[in-house]
Amino acid sequence: EIVMTQSPATLSVSPGERATLSCRASQSLSSNLAWFQQKPGQAPRLLIYDASARATGIPARFSGSESGTEFTLTISSLQSEDFAIYYCQQYNNWPRTFGQGTKVEIK
Amino acid sequence: EVQLVESGGALVQPGGSLRLSCAASGFTVYDNYMSWVRHTPGKGLEWVSLIYNGDSAHYTDSVRGRFSVSRDTSKNTMYLQMSALRVEDTAIYYCVRDLNVWGQGTLVTVSS
Repeated sequence: EIVMTQSPATLSVSPGERATLSCRASQSLSSNLAWFQQKPGQAPRLLIYDASARATGIPARFSGSESGTEFTLTISSLQSEDFAIYYCQQYNNWPRTFGQGTKVEIK
Repeated sequence: EVQLVESGGALVQPGGSLRLSCAASGFTVYDNYMSWVRHTPGKGLEWVSLIYNGDSAHYTDSVRGRFSVSRDTSKNTMYLQMSALRVEDTAIYYCVRDLNVWGQGTLVTVSS
């Protein structure tokens, strides 16, 4: 099973600042990685797929990148609606696995 | 409109069984990769199972042999049959099309 490790567990950021979230895979993923946003009481929402492709309707302030087995989600200028929990998920191997999440909170 | 609606969540005793349903509209479940994902406040999101290419399916290790996923093309619905339920199966269960279409979730509580 591929283990996905997200860091940090909590990120405190002021509105308007940049947020950088990390996700490390225990094996190569061939770019088969997605990022999701989840707010309390809501279903997760797909932000990024194939490591760097934005899903339909996702603002340009969200971007994804990869370097080997390290993946990064960057939110260029945090808006109030961006405070949430973010998860990465690999879909390269079975079983598919999620990271444990990064909570982005207001500083 | 593309939509998924889950149902069937309930309070069940450890060792019991439950069947979740996921009714789809706006697309055909048979032609898509369809997953079940569960969420708990303490553990976050956990991928549970996926069905594709007819009846091919994969499961996470903790549910393999206890859970079974299936599809009914006449009802355009996916199911998750859960048996030998454990307290740790307590979660909100979401059905998902590919990665980008999620239902609203249904709550399963396993408790005596």
